[in-house]
Amino acid sequence: DAKTTQPTSMDCAEGRAANLPCNHSTISGNEYVYWYRQIHSQGPQYIIHGLKNNETNEMASLIITEDRKSSTLILPHATLRDTAVYYCIVRVYNTDKLIFGTGTRLQVFP
Amino acid sequence: GAGVSQSPSNKVTEKGKDVELRCDPISGHTALYWYRQRLGQGLEFLIYFQGNSAPDKSGLPSDRFSAERTGESVSTLTIQRTQQEDSAVYLCASSLDGGLGEQYFGPGTRLTVT
Repeated sequence: DAKTTQPTSMDCAEGRAANLPCNHSTISGNEYVYWYRQIHSQGPQYIIHGLKNNETNEMASLIITEDRKSSTLILPHATLRDTAVYYCIVRVYNTDKLIFGTGTRLQVFP
Repeated sequence: GAGVSQSPSNKVTEKGKDVELRCDPISGHTALYWYRQRLGQGLEFLIYFQGNSAPDKSGLPSDRFSAERTGESVSTLTIQRTQQEDSAVYLCASSLDGGLGEQYFGPGTRLTVT
């Protein structure tokens, strides 16, 4: 599985967009980019995933560069409840386990 | 509907004792996963069950660790002769049919080995 690199921590003001970067320079053509987050003392929660195209759902948007070597998760209007550790994961199609790194600790402040 | 549940929520045991951790997946989910999370670290994959297929045990750290699943329902993770390095939160997840599907995680069992 391709490795990912994320900043250790980030801050964001409440109501502003939070842009969380992820580098996956060794990603292969059949590997998807997944994002999960883990709020303190809870199990991880799925956010979004994509292969090549940008994706958007009710929680976030995922922007994947054309060469697929990096991506950005965007929370358009961060709230205090978005404070969590965000994991960027690269996953091979039809393999089922998720390989988690150490993630980015996002702190949203008032 | 009900999410993934795990029991106990906390377990303190003495070094050398065996422990059993339980996971109840979401009803109808054929895929079930166990992960371990040490303090301040990301999740480590342990084992994966999909329907009647042989489980993927590639993440189990030693032969002291084993897991079973009854059909497409409850799973138990057993750790024999626990060691202090086994202290961690053990997380269970299920998904509808594995593959690319979203994994739904339980709240975890915090295991402390003294």
